[in-house]
Amino acid sequence: KQEVTQIPAALSVPEGENLVLNCSFTDSAIYNLQWFRQDPGKGLTSLLLIQSSQREQTSGRLNASLDKSSGRSTLYIAASQPGDSATYLCAVRPADYGQNFVFGPGTRLSVLP
Amino acid sequence: GAGVSQTPSNKVTEKGKYVELRCDPISGHTALYWYRQSLGQGPEFLIYFQGTGAADDSGLPNDRFFAVRPEGSVSTLKIQRTERGDSAVYLCASSSEGNSPLHFGNGTRLTVT
Repeated sequence: KQEVTQIPAALSVPEGENLVLNCSFTDSAIYNLQWFRQDPGKGLTSLLLIQSSQREQTSGRLNASLDKSSGRSTLYIAASQPGDSATYLCAVRPADYGQNFVFGPGTRLSVLP
Repeated sequence: GAGVSQTPSNKVTEKGKYVELRCDPISGHTALYWYRQSLGQGPEFLIYFQGTGAADDSGLPNDRFFAVRPEGSVSTLKIQRTERGDSAVYLCASSSEGNSPLHFGNGTRLTVT
């Protein structure tokens, strides 16, 4: 059974810092991996989707990498801003278990002005 | 175009009552998912529809939970004889064919008193 973990559970950084969020999954047989952002009381907003054949995806100040063989993905946020404060979740679509995504518990990020 | 719409945004009900939660996906999205999220945790898969049929309902916790999507668009999640443990945010997501991103609604916060 696929399990997804995220470290750290919470992170607080001063504005302007570059930071890395980590996601690990136990089974490397995946179709893709997706990073989401969730603001308090809201649904999830898709940030980046990496297919299993890809190594990374970039959108603005965000860069996500995927190392499928080691079961890891990182989300790099450059020049962090207070508006980046949110919970960041990663989710993998397993190749063998149907179509649903398996989510990690998230990393709660606070960017201090 | 419009995103995924979920109604109601909040629902308070008494233990033992029946509730219905509605999801209106993005137009043209054939895949629809229901997830449940408890405080501080990642979303937990409940059921996945491809068109009108439930392709994977392995996440439904017991037979009090049921979901339909009769015309391949709007879906309703139905919970019978609600229990306090059913209290959570119920999230709906949709996607188009293939390895495409999930798009979430803002969720329905269900509170069973």
